[in-house]
Amino acid sequence: GESVGLHLPTLSVQEGDNSIINCAYSNSASDYFIWYKQESGKGPQFIIDIRSNMDKRQGQRVTVLLNKTVKHLSLQIAATQPGDSAVYFCAENPSGTYKYIFGTGTRLKVLA
Amino acid sequence: GAGVSQTPSNKVTEKGKYVELRCDPISGHTALYWYRQSLGQGPEFLIYFQGTGAADDSGLPNDRFFAVRPEGSVSTLKIQRTERGDSAVYLCASSLIIGGRDEQFFGPGTRLTVL
Repeated sequence: GESVGLHLPTLSVQEGDNSIINCAYSNSASDYFIWYKQESGKGPQFIIDIRSNMDKRQGQRVTVLLNKTVKHLSLQIAATQPGDSAVYFCAENPSGTYKYIFGTGTRLKVLA
Repeated sequence: GAGVSQTPSNKVTEKGKYVELRCDPISGHTALYWYRQSLGQGPEFLIYFQGTGAADDSGLPNDRFFAVRPEGSVSTLKIQRTERGDSAVYLCASSLIIGGRDEQFFGPGTRLTVL
């Protein structure tokens, strides 16, 4: 994978705190969304997905919120751990296509 | 089990040369994607295969880029007359789309450098 994001927006959180990473998506026709985590030198790793007929979905320690009105997606990570340090991308899938459009990414730094 | 593998991990070539990048998806995954990622950016979609056929090649930047998946498993991305702007990490992902869930498993990528 890419050595990601020398100049990406960075979110720094204390270990144990909750993290919220935001994403504005571009296409109002998108109906499926995925959050990915990418560590340096690796490919992206699927975290959680959500369809446009939902506004919230929960996984293990993660929650994704979708606001279609303002085309906004957020990823909430509970009790952030050092292993959560990475770059996070949202990806949208426009309805009727197989392509995915990735956002620019946010670097999460977890402070001990 | 084995994940998605990509070879080579690094490829350095000269402007104008031809390169082939290989992707071995997870066994049984019918969906296969190619992306490229430049430094500081998110992956950019190139092409999607469902089985042997390219169901969506709308992301290929121009006709120098071509990809095949002849037996519905291994895929090769081919770039002709490489240009310096082609330098990037090329990522492959495979998926078994079930119930509308497209959990893509990515390989580590091939870093292509065009001198």
